Amino acid sequence: EPEVTQTPSHQVTQMGQEVILRCVPISNHLYFYWYRQILGQKVEFLVSFYNNEISEKSEIFDDQFSVERPDGSNFTLKIRSTKLEDSAMYFCASRVGTGQGMETQYFGPGTRLLVL
Amino acid sequence: GENVEQHPSTLSVQEGDSAVIKCTYSDSASNYFPWYKQELGKGPQLIIDIRSNVGEKKDQRIAVTLNKTAKHFSLHITETQPEDSAVYFCAASKGFSGGSQGNLIFGKGTKLSVKP
Repeated sequence: EPEVTQTPSHQVTQMGQEVILRCVPISNHLYFYWYRQILGQKVEFLVSFYNNEISEKSEIFDDQFSVERPDGSNFTLKIRSTKLEDSAMYFCASRVGTGQGMETQYFGPGTRLLVL
Repeated sequence: GENVEQHPSTLSVQEGDSAVIKCTYSDSASNYFPWYKQELGKGPQLIIDIRSNVGEKKDQRIAVTLNKTAKHFSLHITETQPEDSAVYFCAASKGFSGGSQGNLIFGKGTKLSVKP
């Protein structure tokens, strides 16, 4: 069964450093998402991406964040200058893009980011 | 914006008993309500979903009910087994209505423990 994959599984970085989290969505999916989950808290929406551009973003997704689909398979989340509060599990998700938005989003296993 | 409340935060049941988790949402434009199961160290996995034109949906031991008037929906797990132990998240989405791109707004999660 196709699945969303994410790399790395864990990332430790120093405050102020740039990090890039990578995702490979399911191949025939058209909508891509990033969510984050701070330890013990709810999963929070960050950004959605369709047709090579951001289609919606939350208040969390400020100028420190950017997303990109550099080729036909990868989908990346970049944090330019990490802060302690960016420490969280980051999930990538994708969906086919039919069904008027009411369809399954498939989540990857996540990248645990720790900012020291 | 949409707000999803989920109760209880923890739930402990004996194997074979039923478990019920309840969620309320605030935005009447929400029309898609998935439930995700998250096991330790893994990403959320869809277990069942319901659309706003349906009041109830069942899949073997799992059922979801939706009351649009009251803006609440519930997950019912019957004949619980130890492998049902996990964190369960409800979520709500507006699909493509109101400019939304199908992003999910999650509840805070319920940690279900099924004791053998």
